[in-house]
Amino acid sequence: NAGVTQTPKFRVLKTGQSMTLLCAQDMNHEYMYWYRQDPGMGLRLIHYSVGEGTTAKGEVPDGYNVSRLKKQNFLLGLESAAPSQTSVYFCASSEQGISNQPQHFGDGTRLSIL
Amino acid sequence: GEDVEQSLFLSVREGDSSVINCTYTDSSSTYLYWYKQEPGAGLQLLTYIFSNMDMKQDQRLTVLLNKKDKHLSLRIADTQTGDSAIYFCAESPPWGGSQGNLIFGKGTKLSVKP
Repeated sequence: NAGVTQTPKFRVLKTGQSMTLLCAQDMNHEYMYWYRQDPGMGLRLIHYSVGEGTTAKGEVPDGYNVSRLKKQNFLLGLESAAPSQTSVYFCASSEQGISNQPQHFGDGTRLSIL
Repeated sequence: GEDVEQSLFLSVREGDSSVINCTYTDSSSTYLYWYKQEPGAGLQLLTYIFSNMDMKQDQRLTVLLNKKDKHLSLRIADTQTGDSAIYFCAESPPWGGSQGNLIFGKGTKLSVKP
């Protein structure tokens, strides 16, 4: 029962470095999401995808790029990391974008930018 | 804008009932959700309620929805130390329904004292 798997679980970067966060789901879900969670801010949607080959901007997309080349994977990229991007990143997936289809979350990636 | 409001903290004694409250903004939201986040983990869907219902019960969990006041509550009966976590309220606004987008509250941290 893997569900949604995020790698890495922890990472420390220096300002200006780049990196890619990987999200993989084995439930054949169409929809995938990237959120960031900051203290006192709840979860905010960065980007999402409604199917293989598609991506769309969420609430806070600046500084991030995403790709969905394969249905099971959703990649989140930071081209030039900034301290403001220090956060916990969560990936989620859902069967469809219908309201009664719950989103399944990964365990998060804790990212620190120095 | 859309804001889902929750109190940030709640402390109860083991065996008591916990009531976590939430107010949401979009009266057209079709589904409302409660997610649970344990330390170091992702969000886990606890329960959800369709907007044409006013109550839903699932074992120790009772969800009450007052659509007129846009108020949602989660009652946990016989609260246990294992219920200590952050609880997120989320709504599914109609504009985000086709993408499955959710609007999350900032979360209520429930502490259960033995």
